Amino acid sequence: EVQLVESGGGLVQPGRSLRLSCTASGFTFGDSAMSWLRQAPGKGLEWVGFIRSKPFGGTTEYAASVKGRFSISRDDSKSIAYLQMNSLKTEDTAVYYCTRDTLYGGYCTSTSCYEGSYYYYNMDVWGQGTTVTVSS
Amino acid sequence: QPVLTQSSSASASLGSSVKLTCTLNSGHSSYIIAWHQQQPGKAPRYLMKLESSGSYNKGSGVPDRFSGSSSGADRYLTISNLQSEDEADYYCATWDSNTRVFGGGTKLTVL
Repeated sequence: EVQLVESGGGLVQPGRSLRLSCTASGFTFGDSAMSWLRQAPGKGLEWVGFIRSKPFGGTTEYAASVKGRFSISRDDSKSIAYLQMNSLKTEDTAVYYCTRDTLYGGYCTSTSCYEGSYYYYNMDVWGQGTTVTVSS
Repeated sequence: QPVLTQSSSASASLGSSVKLTCTLNSGHSSYIIAWHQQQPGKAPRYLMKLESSGSYNKGSGVPDRFSGSSSGADRYLTISNLQSEDEADYYCATWDSNTRVFGGGTKLTVL
């Protein structure tokens, strides 16, 4: 069964740090990009950031609202994606979700992988979420 | 940057059909989108990827009652034979320039 399980949420004071984990099972984690998203109480979904699979560079992208404060990393040997959150603000209070992102339009040669001219990352598996509360 | 526009709410009767709309802004009418469902108090669930041609690929376990279609800049999610468990928030999303964009979501009430 394909599954994502987030952990690490909790209550934290403004200005402090927290690291979330997303543990994957049931699929080849190293071949997949991963995203983090969040949902503030009573609000819609907000994309936080994304990490490509290592064959496609393992690089990251972030929403403007968290750039410079949050960072995403991955440990393919453990099938875990991380979200490191620094300098937390009260407005970061939310349920945080991770997703698997499947790439369409990418291709690999014998030496390298490329995203192609018209590529699309599709979020097709969601975790159950972990709650982060930033409050003094 | 694409912008996705959704009606804030919709309602339909048990056993009937409903068609939810996600509209892409000018210059982005060819974009692929995905539909996601979030039942009350639960995590979102992936429903389908939907292309401008109307071709769609559903996620694992998504009932046949859910289908997708497209017309110009509009992307549709049709739910047939509405069930009580279909009462949920429905979000469309797309990807562009290394950024994920969401619509505001449609709250579907099953009467």
